[in-house]
Order: sequence, then structure tokens, then C-alpha cells
Amino acid sequence: DTAVSQTPKYLVTQMGNDKSIKCEQNLGHDTMYWYKQDSKKFLKIMFSYNNKELIINETVPNRFSPKSPDKAHLNLHINSLELGDSAVYFCASTTSRNTGELFFGEGSRLTVL
Amino acid sequence: GQQVMQIPQYQHVQEGEDFTTYCNSSTTLSNIQWYKQRPGGHPVFLIQLVKSGEVKKQKRLTFQFGEAKKNSSLHITATQTTDVGTYFCAGGDYGGATNKLIFGTGTLLAVQP
Repeated sequence: DTAVSQTPKYLVTQMGNDKSIKCEQNLGHDTMYWYKQDSKKFLKIMFSYNNKELIINETVPNRFSPKSPDKAHLNLHINSLELGDSAVYFCASTTSRNTGELFFGEGSRLTVL
Repeated sequence: GQQVMQIPQYQHVQEGEDFTTYCNSSTTLSNIQWYKQRPGGHPVFLIQLVKSGEVKKQKRLTFQFGEAKKNSSLHITATQTTDVGTYFCAGGDYGGATNKLIFGTGTLLAVQP
């Protein structure tokens, strides 16, 4: 059983389209994150939710909208995709909002053409 | 904003040689974590350091947290091909209303057999 699972693993789409990435964790964690890893491997935090409440919202274009229907799920919807959105998006979860160990999903590689 | 830099960006060693990566934060950290990301994989937690001057060992890996809690290092003794990957430090930032991990820029380790 995968602890943190993301779908889809690969996504190729055209500029201007809207797409979603889903994340589910079965670890019973309260806090979930979205990180973006660019081509230079920089890992940048985007959002964090704690028990369905948004607690971190970094400087991210408002084309990106996270949604947490329950504490085990954190989805990421992206509107009007741009070339610069191409990256690997990682979902992660942790037991505590006080920066405990992060458990990462396998990543979703988004390519915008 | 807070920045966490790592040096070197890239290191190529012969199998059996030692390797060290250094992590420096622009601000004092509450804790430091280290992650390893294999090529094509996702970051996997290695260890967390909390106390000033703390040193922890995991087999051939030695982790240090600086006295001022602004820097850290990871040393690998006698590298093996299985050590290949990108090593990230991640600093815990408990400042303000939100708690988050800021990832370092990463060091890519290549090991030649």
C-alpha cells in the first residue's frame, strides 16, 4: 500500500488548458503539502493544509487552487496552464504542523506544450 | 525571505571516496532535516537534528547541526554506488504564524564505480 499516492504520474497538455492533480495519504496525518520541483531540482513549497484548513499559501499565481475535501486528500487544480508550469509536483504529508518528517508522494510530472 | 543554500551543487567521486555537502541558512532554524532523492524518485527522509551542535550518525552517514543553528553538514564515508542521488537539507522555520520547511538547493552526488 502506497502511503502517499498521487495521480496522474505523468501529464502532458497544451498551454491554456486546465488540469488537476490528486493526492491521497493513508497515514492518518493531519498536514499535507504541495511542493513544486523545477528542472534545476529546486523544491519550493506552494501550499499546506492542516485538517482541511489552508495554513501556508506561498507566492503562487492564483491560477493554482488547492482543495482539501478531507484531511486525507489534497488536490491541486491549475487553470490556464503556462509553459513555466512544467515541473514535477510533489504532494507530502506529516503528522504535525510543526515540521515533522515529510512523507512524499512519487510526484506528478507535468509537461505543458 | 529565508533562503537555504547548499554547496556544492554537484559532486562527482570515485567509489570509496568521502563526500560532504554543506547547508547554510540566512536565518536561525528551529531544526534541520535531510532528505535523499534518487534519480527519477521522490525525496525520502533521512534524519532530523534539533539541538545546537548536535551530531548524529547513520552507518556511513554523519550529520551535524551548527552551534548557531544556521548551518548543517552531511558527510558520507567511503561512498558506494547506492549513494547516488540528490541530497537536500530542509530548515524548519517556526517564525510567524505558519511553520514550514524550506528546502535547500540540493547537492547531486555521482559515484563512479
